[in-house]
Amino acid sequence: QSALTQPASVSGSPGQSITISCTGTSSDVGGYNYVSWYQQHPGKAPKLMIYDVSKRPSGVSNRFSGSKSGNTASLTISGLQAEDEADYYCSSYTSSSTFWVFGGGTKLTVL
Amino acid sequence: QVQLVESGGGVVQPGGSLRLSCAASGFTFSSYGMHWVRQAPGKGLEWVAFIRYDGSNKYYADSVKGRFTISRDNSKNTLYLQMNSLRAEDTAVYYCAKDAQYSGSYLDYWGQGTLVTVSS
Repeated sequence: QSALTQPASVSGSPGQSITISCTGTSSDVGGYNYVSWYQQHPGKAPKLMIYDVSKRPSGVSNRFSGSKSGNTASLTISGLQAEDEADYYCSSYTSSSTFWVFGGGTKLTVL
Repeated sequence: QVQLVESGGGVVQPGGSLRLSCAASGFTFSSYGMHWVRQAPGKGLEWVAFIRYDGSNKYYADSVKGRFTISRDNSKNTLYLQMNSLRAEDTAVYYCAKDAQYSGSYLDYWGQGTLVTVSS
């Protein structure tokens, strides 16, 4: 069982917006701003999409945005495009002995 | 540009050992923390280990603690993962990833991964 909880799947039509949640505890998501999100296409390495809760790396579309409220972080993708179909993982530093955790991943399907 | 190239994967019997390497280039390796992350076939990402920029602190997932050892050679720009007492459940693609800071913040660059298969 992953330390961070994500929905197994979400879907949306082209042009729509979707939000993926990532629920942790006060020892990780709720206690620090070290929440990041990764996109992974089949057979490829993960790619950083959001860091420090809501910052976008250079080159990542502004259709991707992140936020946090309490122990839950969220990734929102607006104006869905076919190429957004992928698996998405949240991640966070944790003050527990584990040091770092990932969510279980969410499969995004663009209908 | 940042490049991370993993090597050392392969097929190993249960109880065996393997050492993975990650050759880094395109950045000042000695200034950044480094992670190992794995992904079992058809499963999600699992964080494995982290080492600070100077090797002074190391952290491990509970699933590998006492069996795996992360290390680095800053003179060779290389990260390592020594894996002992391997189990079937260690079968996965192993990725090395660069941290954006020296002490752990987020994983900004990833290698392409190397496959480890534990099977008799």
